[in-house]
Amino acid sequence: EIVLTQSPGTLSLSPGERATLSCRASQTVSSSSIAWYQQRPGQAPRLLIYGSANRGTGIPDRFSGRGSGTDFTLTINSLEPEDFAVYYCQQYGSSPYTFGQGTKLEIK
Amino acid sequence: QLVESGGDLVQPGGSLRLSCAASGFTVSGTYMSWVRQAPGKGLEWVSSISPGGETIYYADSVRGRFTISRDNAKNSLYLQMNSLRAEDTAVYYCTRLFSHWGQGALVTVSS
Repeated sequence: EIVLTQSPGTLSLSPGERATLSCRASQTVSSSSIAWYQQRPGQAPRLLIYGSANRGTGIPDRFSGRGSGTDFTLTINSLEPEDFAVYYCQQYGSSPYTFGQGTKLEIK
Repeated sequence: QLVESGGDLVQPGGSLRLSCAASGFTVSGTYMSWVRQAPGKGLEWVSSISPGGETIYYADSVRGRFTISRDNAKNSLYLQMNSLRAEDTAVYYCTRLFSHWGQGALVTVSS
């Protein structure tokens, strides 16, 4: 099983700042099989990034993803108030399709 | 659109079947999955079924107790859950290719 470890656990930033979220895998993951999700309280997850770097439908271009091997990053430029939420990475290249434990992005 | 139903309060050891009605696409033509989230916790993948149904995967935590299936005529996905445990308490989401998600169905396992 591929274990995904996200850091930091909580990130405190102000609107307008840049957020950098990390996802590290316990073994090499195909970059085509990494996704990032945003989840706001009481809502279902929303796909932000798939294939490590491709934005989902309707996702603003302030969201970007990159990485390869075991290290992947989600960057959110110029944070908007609605961006403060919990973010999860996931690998879907090999079963079990594991998720990271999440990073909470909170308003400073 | 994906709409889950069937969530309920059930006693430990009991059974429950979740349904996920799809519209706007055919469940038989795409990869479908169930993902759950325990109260206050993160996301946990549960099970997936390939378009042709020839490939089915389960998380170790549910293998042998849960069964994923679909009804092409009803364009619906199902999750049959048997021998339920307290740790199965969660909101269960069905998802198409992990890109489209339902609103979730709450399953509570408690005496």
